[in-house]
Amino acid sequence: AQKVTQAQTEISVVEKEDVTLDCVYETRDTTYYLFWYKQPPSGELVFLIRRNSFDEQNEISGRYSWNFQKSTSSFNFTITASQVVDSAVYFCALIMTTDSWGKLQFGAGTQVVVTP
Amino acid sequence: GAVVSQHPSRVICKSGTSVKIECRSLDFQATTMFWYRQFPKKSLMLMATSNEGSKATYEQGVEKDKFLINHASLTLSTLTVTSAHPEDSSFYICSATRRLVPETQYFGPGTRLLVL
Repeated sequence: AQKVTQAQTEISVVEKEDVTLDCVYETRDTTYYLFWYKQPPSGELVFLIRRNSFDEQNEISGRYSWNFQKSTSSFNFTITASQVVDSAVYFCALIMTTDSWGKLQFGAGTQVVVTP
Repeated sequence: GAVVSQHPSRVICKSGTSVKIECRSLDFQATTMFWYRQFPKKSLMLMATSNEGSKATYEQGVEKDKFLINHASLTLSTLTVTSAHPEDSSFYICSATRRLVPETQYFGPGTRLLVL
């Protein structure tokens, strides 16, 4: 069963527009970890954020922000004022702690295309 | 952050040959390493979990005789694709974690395998 769902396959925006990537997860664990990774065309995964299940505070890092809502099992990611360098595939991922401890379960990924 | 390297970064081989991919943690002791496979425009799929000094644990559907994993030291894990065929062509990525901190994984840059 799909544990992490990224419903958006591809999002295209024009530079300076904001873009929000959706992530919905599924777990029965009370302790778990959520992640966002960026994968540019080179293929190397770039870690963006890790959030544990007990920390629902939203986070902002430069042009990036994350909205974690346990009530809806969502962990959405927003890029503000997008730039061409933001073009990449973005993956949301989950680590559960009771089952498959340590195993990252990735969503299908969302391709972001930012055009000048 | 911690550094994980992979070698080679790219390899082309003939069908029927075996290919070894190395994953090294350069500045920390990695008690656990994970191997992922990624097809073009697809997500990362966990192949196996490798613990130092013990046999790897393979995910369902992954042929252990086809994908040999060895984790002989705390800084090195190897993935050998035996008798490679064109369908084994893929992007292989490893990640490494420290003991008791599996929620923090450091990814290698990946290895692109093309089997002709």
